[in-house]
Amino acid sequence: NAGVTQTPKFQVLKTGQSMTLQCAQDMNHNSMYWYRQDPGMGLRLIYYSASEGTTDKGEVPNGYNVSRLNKREFSLRLESAAPSQTSVYFCASSPSFGTNYGYTFGSGTRLTVV
Amino acid sequence: AQSVTQLDSHVSVSEGTPVLLRCNYSSSYSPSLFWYVQHPNKGLQLLLKYTSAATLVKGINGFEAEFKKSETSFHLTKPSAHMSDAAEYFCVVSDPSSASKIIFGSGTRLSIRP
Repeated sequence: NAGVTQTPKFQVLKTGQSMTLQCAQDMNHNSMYWYRQDPGMGLRLIYYSASEGTTDKGEVPNGYNVSRLNKREFSLRLESAAPSQTSVYFCASSPSFGTNYGYTFGSGTRLTVV
Repeated sequence: AQSVTQLDSHVSVSEGTPVLLRCNYSSSYSPSLFWYVQHPNKGLQLLLKYTSAATLVKGINGFEAEFKKSETSFHLTKPSAHMSDAAEYFCVVSDPSSASKIIFGSGTRLSIRP
């Protein structure tokens, strides 16, 4: 019953460093998403992958890239981290790309950029 | 354009008393609506969803929500609060015509007094 697994859980970066956040789901879901959560702002969509082999920008894509490595895995990369990217990042998945489906979320990655 | 407003950033109730978390939405279409719960340092968990079927939706842990189109509301209720209900709650609206248009509210923190 792993669901959606995110690694790492915590990370501290210096400004300008790069890193990749990993996400894997074991529910055979087609669609995967990356969100960031900031105080008082709810969750904002960074990128999503409707199905294996496709990725699209969400509401706040600047400074990020993604890779849908296979059906299970969807990674988020910060090429040159900035303090404004300090946030909690959530990966989510859904059976198909459609708003009638609820999402399954990972437990998050808390990232601090100093 | 879609939007969702959670009317209270913080709600505090006594254990055993009713819970009401308020959510208003704006949508050009017949929306899908969701409530998620986030316990401290955890990911988001789907509580319930409305997708144009019955207007009164029952979810997990005794929560329910009623879709009121005339009032553009989707308030979350529970008859009797438990200490374990203390968490952050997010109302979510989505546009069935575009799966990427999913808007999260800013969240309501629910505190339970013994």
